[in-house]
Amino acid sequence: GAVVSQHPSRVICKSGTSVKIECRSLDFQATTMFWYRQFPKKSLMLMATSNEGSKATYEQGVEKDKFLINHASLTLSTLTVTSAHPEDSSFYICSGGGQGNSYFGPGTRLLVL
Amino acid sequence: GENVEQHPSTLSVQEGDSAVIKCTYSDSASNYFPWYKQELGKGPQLIIDIRSNVGEKKDQRIAVTLNKTAKHFSLHITETQPEDSAVYFCAASNLPSGTYKYIFGTGTRLKVLA
Repeated sequence: GAVVSQHPSRVICKSGTSVKIECRSLDFQATTMFWYRQFPKKSLMLMATSNEGSKATYEQGVEKDKFLINHASLTLSTLTVTSAHPEDSSFYICSGGGQGNSYFGPGTRLLVL
Repeated sequence: GENVEQHPSTLSVQEGDSAVIKCTYSDSASNYFPWYKQELGKGPQLIIDIRSNVGEKKDQRIAVTLNKTAKHFSLHITETQPEDSAVYFCAASNLPSGTYKYIFGTGTRLKVLA
């Protein structure tokens, strides 16, 4: 089946720094990639949708200058959390859409101290 | 936009019993309904899905039913085992070609007691 990877799996950073999370579709081309955020014991909340080569579409309430998304190729999308603060600590999950379905990555746990 | 509600939020069953999780959706244009299992610290894993042209789908111990008129769909797990313990999410999507945006339910934490 289609595989999506995320890197890093866990990251700890200091408040005020920026963190980049990579999402790769390993064996298929993802025409669309999605970024979700999940708080402990909560559901997945869609943050933004990105299409290769175009600007991402952000959901209501998500700061586009805070969460920078780049979808440079059909197999790679990156999420950069800029000037991270403790409230940005969360589990970030990407998914890649292609081959008739959407396939989820294993998630990245971000802890901002 | 689409809104998906999921019940119950927690469910405890004895090993061997059945578990049922229910979801409702609001957008009649939704035509694809996947179910995901998420274990602690991991991403969601697709366990079964159903499209709007089908009323029921079964895969071994897992089945999903869909009532388009009522905008309900349910996950049924029979002969539950301790390894079925996890958080389960339903989702709804409208899948024209090239669009794979999912709206998730709030999740159900299933505990199977040995």
